[in-house]
Amino acid sequence: GNSVTQMEGPVTLSEEAFLTINCTYTATGYPSLFWYVQYPGEGLQLLLKATKADDKGSNKGFEATYRKETTSFHLEKGSVQVSDSAVYFCALLLPSGSARQLTFGSGTQLTVLP
Amino acid sequence: SQTIHQWPATLVQPVGSPLSLECTVEGTSNPNLYWYRQAAGRGLQLLFYSVGIGQISSEVPQNLSASRPQDRQFILSSKKLLLSDSGFYLCAWGGHHEQYFGPGTRLTVT
Repeated sequence: GNSVTQMEGPVTLSEEAFLTINCTYTATGYPSLFWYVQYPGEGLQLLLKATKADDKGSNKGFEATYRKETTSFHLEKGSVQVSDSAVYFCALLLPSGSARQLTFGSGTQLTVLP
Repeated sequence: SQTIHQWPATLVQPVGSPLSLECTVEGTSNPNLYWYRQAAGRGLQLLFYSVGIGQISSEVPQNLSASRPQDRQFILSSKKLLLSDSGFYLCAWGGHHEQYFGPGTRLTVT
């Protein structure tokens, strides 16, 4: 079956530190890959996506590259800010008939300290 | 542009009471619609999805049900809530390559 494995948290960093959150996946077929962010008390927001191998998704200083050879989609940011504190979810999307169901990782809590 | 609404935002209900959560989407037609639940400190679990009016697929056996009475309306219901139904309920609609989520409803069953 399809699955997403994320680096377990919580992750605590100082402001301006480098961030990596690892994500690997197992899927039949060719998934699209996503990172969603959930700020405290809110729903999920799409942060970035990549739809095919070697694509790089980027947004708000975050980036992730779709690596088919390692089945990975690691999230990186060169210099985190306090406002980046949130839960980050890696996800994959495969068409399943007409339903297109997302499969999520368990989420990684990030706290950035000033 | 498309927007997705959920209400209520928060809800506190006693065990055994009924539940009705509503989700509506604007700016798109015939979307795939989804209900997810996020239990405290855990990831998201897909509960139901719908590819059209009156078409509901359930992913997890439970005492919840879903209905889609109109193209852009998706309702999550229960006849009798359990303590384990507490959580954060998220509705989403599916675009061609991604899903977009509503603001969520936080349900506490007491």
